[in-house]
Amino acid sequence: GAVVSQHPSRVICKSGTSVKIECRSLDFQATTMFWYRQFPKKSLMLMATSNEGSKATYEQGVEKDKFLINHASLTLSTLTVTSAHPEDSSFYICSARESGAEAFFGQGTRLTVV
Amino acid sequence: QQQVKQSPQSLIVQKGGISIINCAYENTAFDYFPWYQQFPGKGPALLIAIRPDVSEKKEGRFTISFNKSAKQFSLHIMDSQPGDSATYFCAASLPGEGGGADGLTFGKGTHLIIQP
Repeated sequence: GAVVSQHPSRVICKSGTSVKIECRSLDFQATTMFWYRQFPKKSLMLMATSNEGSKATYEQGVEKDKFLINHASLTLSTLTVTSAHPEDSSFYICSARESGAEAFFGQGTRLTVV
Repeated sequence: QQQVKQSPQSLIVQKGGISIINCAYENTAFDYFPWYQQFPGKGPALLIAIRPDVSEKKEGRFTISFNKSAKQFSLHIMDSQPGDSATYFCAASLPGEGGGADGLTFGKGTHLIIQP
């Protein structure tokens, strides 16, 4: 399958700071990328969908000013958690797909806000 | 309202046995039904997926059975092995642009343990 790489795999930040997570498609052009959030021992929840060159579409209940998504190229999307607080601590996972194809997931980023 | 209901929450199967996980969905507009395997601290990995125009799909030891009228689909893992011990998620999505899938709605997951 296609390769999707997330960076960093783990990050610890202080409360009130912002942290950026990168999602890259390594061997295909990702016209669409998805960002999910997963709490411990829970399911994945779709946060937002982004198409290259367009504004992201956020799911109901997800604060767009809190979770900034940029999909400026066909191989890179970034999720920035702004003014992070301990309740934002979670496992963030991206997936990416080409037009008309299935999506592949990255390995996830464990965010801990202290 | 949970759109994809998964059961059981946890499952213990003896090595060599058949593991069966079930999912039910509510939105008849869903047209893509994948199953994912996830190990702790890792992203989910696609195992097998099906679309509503077929009732069964088999890939190696993994089989999806799909019942459109009942709005149910299940994963069967044949000859289950200890290495299959993981959390399994079913999911569903609406049609996406270009024929691909939209963002996924996941079930709550099944923690599968295969005993040696």
